[in-house]
Amino acid sequence: KQEVTQIPAALSVPEGENLVLNCSFTDSAIYNLQWFRQDPGKGLTSLLLIQSSQREQTSGRLNASLDKSSGRSTLYIAASQPGDSATYLCAVVSGYGQNFVFGPGTRLSVLP
Amino acid sequence: DGGITQSPKYLFRKEGQNVTLSCEQNLNHDAMYWYRQDPGQGLRLIYYSQIVNDFQKGDIAEGYSVSREKKESFPLTVTSAQKNPTAFYLCASSIAVSGANVLTFGAGSRLTVL
Repeated sequence: KQEVTQIPAALSVPEGENLVLNCSFTDSAIYNLQWFRQDPGKGLTSLLLIQSSQREQTSGRLNASLDKSSGRSTLYIAASQPGDSATYLCAVVSGYGQNFVFGPGTRLSVLP
Repeated sequence: DGGITQSPKYLFRKEGQNVTLSCEQNLNHDAMYWYRQDPGQGLRLIYYSQIVNDFQKGDIAEGYSVSREKKESFPLTVTSAQKNPTAFYLCASSIAVSGANVLTFGAGSRLTVL
């Protein structure tokens, strides 16, 4: 059974820092991995999706990498801003028609 | 604009009452999902549906029921059998795009049992 963990559980950084969020999964046979952002009391917003054949995806200040063999993905946020404060979740799907398995999330606080 | 609409945003229920949460999507996605989120915890899958008139139980289906009579709609009923229903409920849908399953979420419904 696929299990997804995220480290750290919470992170507090000063504005302007570059930071890395980690996502680990136990079964490397994944179909794709998706990173989400969740603001308090809101739904999840998709940030980046990486297919199993890809190594990384970039969107603005965000870069997500995928290493299937080691069961890891990282989300790199460059030049963090207070508006980046949110909970970041990763989710993996193991095949077409399979369900998404979510990590518990990393709660990020960027201090002005 | 395409998206997922959940209603109501906030709902209060007395113990012993059934309540139904609405989820409507105009994305033309085949698959739809209901997740439950508790404070400090990840998302747990309640029910999912890959096609109309078919749905399967997720990890925590006890005390919940769903229907999928139309592609656009996937309502969730929280029954009186659910012992601890106070939570944040999220509806999602997915589609396969260029070989990847892409998941989209609604804004959520917060249920409080009084």
